[in-house]
Amino acid sequence: QKEVEQDPGPLSVPEGAIVSLNCTYSNSAFQYFMWYRQYSRKGPELLMYTYSSGNKEDGRFTAQVDKSSKYISLFIRDSQPSDSATYLCAMTRREYGNKLVFGAGTILRVKS
Amino acid sequence: GAGVSQSPSNKVTEKGKDVELRCDPISGHTALYWYRQSLGQGLEFLIYFQGNSAPDKSGLPSDRFSAERTGGSVSTLTIQRTQQEDSAVYLCASSLGFTSYEQYFGPGTRLTVT
Repeated sequence: QKEVEQDPGPLSVPEGAIVSLNCTYSNSAFQYFMWYRQYSRKGPELLMYTYSSGNKEDGRFTAQVDKSSKYISLFIRDSQPSDSATYLCAMTRREYGNKLVFGAGTILRVKS
Repeated sequence: GAGVSQSPSNKVTEKGKDVELRCDPISGHTALYWYRQSLGQGLEFLIYFQGNSAPDKSGLPSDRFSAERTGGSVSTLTIQRTQQEDSAVYLCASSLGFTSYEQYFGPGTRLTVT
């Protein structure tokens, strides 16, 4: 079993929809959680960074961490065709020396 | 400001040849990371540098892989005697330091071994 599970999709939504992307993980020691966006043939771009449990909002993006359920989410409001990309969750713990453990990535397609 | 840069952007090599991949981190970032992204494996950690030291080499897949960093800046990932299974996108990232968990990635080098 992988440490981080993420549905690869693709997830297809109409423009303007609220998108929910999720990851589950098995290692309860993970403390730091990130979401990256990756366009085709580009490097991952850091979108959100969260420490421990709780919510964090940045513009149209909201990241949620539920450590009790070992579940993290990224919500995208008012989705746009430019949001079409692969979304990767990543996490780490202090003892990992900053080594990020990634999910497989979810392909999102926003249709205009 | 300038982000992480990597060169070459694409590299095609014959099986058995050596290749060198270069990474220029964001100015002022003391920590540097190499990852590999392939279809079957997703994004995997390879090695991490703090300054010029590599405290964690646990992800290097074999002794054909090595990396160095000089002057606390540029890093080179070397793959000797390349094999077809080495074909992947090699990504470099940097962060402010050991206590910063926000890593910023470069565009990657797409390596194809024929």
